[in-house]
Amino acid sequence: QLQLQESGPGLVKPSETLSLTCTVSGGSINRYTYYWGWIRQPPGKGPEWIGSVRHSGSYYNPSLQSRVTISIDTSKNQFSLKLTSVTAADTAVYYCATIVGASRVDHWGQGILLTVSS
Amino acid sequence: EIVLTQSPGTLSLSPGERAILSCRVSQSVSSNLAWYQQKPGQTPRLLIYGASSRATGIPDRFSGSGSGTDFTLTISRLEPEDFGVYFCQENGSMFGQGTRLEIK
Repeated sequence: QLQLQESGPGLVKPSETLSLTCTVSGGSINRYTYYWGWIRQPPGKGPEWIGSVRHSGSYYNPSLQSRVTISIDTSKNQFSLKLTSVTAADTAVYYCATIVGASRVDHWGQGILLTVSS
Repeated sequence: EIVLTQSPGTLSLSPGERAILSCRVSQSVSSNLAWYQQKPGQTPRLLIYGASSRATGIPDRFSGSGSGTDFTLTISRLEPEDFGVYFCQENGSMFGQGTRLEIK
């Protein structure tokens, strides 16, 4: 069974770059046709799609596109998120996820709370 | 940018009643719409994908309909465990802001 686990710092200072990693277990990333994505959820608010990537290309939320990069490292069976110039508005639980085509989220990580504060 | 607008913001109903939730999309997404239920402290649970296909293990009191820009999630007879927040999502990407379904 495919499982996802987020890792990274819980606290980032304003204006710095947020870096999170998602480790995939239960199968090789190369074996699946999923999009590998990131979704965040600010406290008390709904989910916000950040972006999705697979070897054919990457797709980002237009409101975040200028600050986001998602990449895959098949040698480590991981994919990662970088978000530059963070502010307090980027404080949220960040989830990594597998996304089926133009359809739905299939698997979620357990989520990691990231706080932006000095 | 595609925008999803859900209505109502909050729905107060009693167990046994029917719930009708709406999701309107700013441009056509064909049938590429999913619905999720979320409870506090949990990840969203997939209910419906492809506008009308129930996910594995979802009871048949949940049904989805619509295409293009207007979609509906119907819960035919509410059970106590159905209360929570419901979100729609288009094409596996943008989400609506949610409808809170609460016990009246």
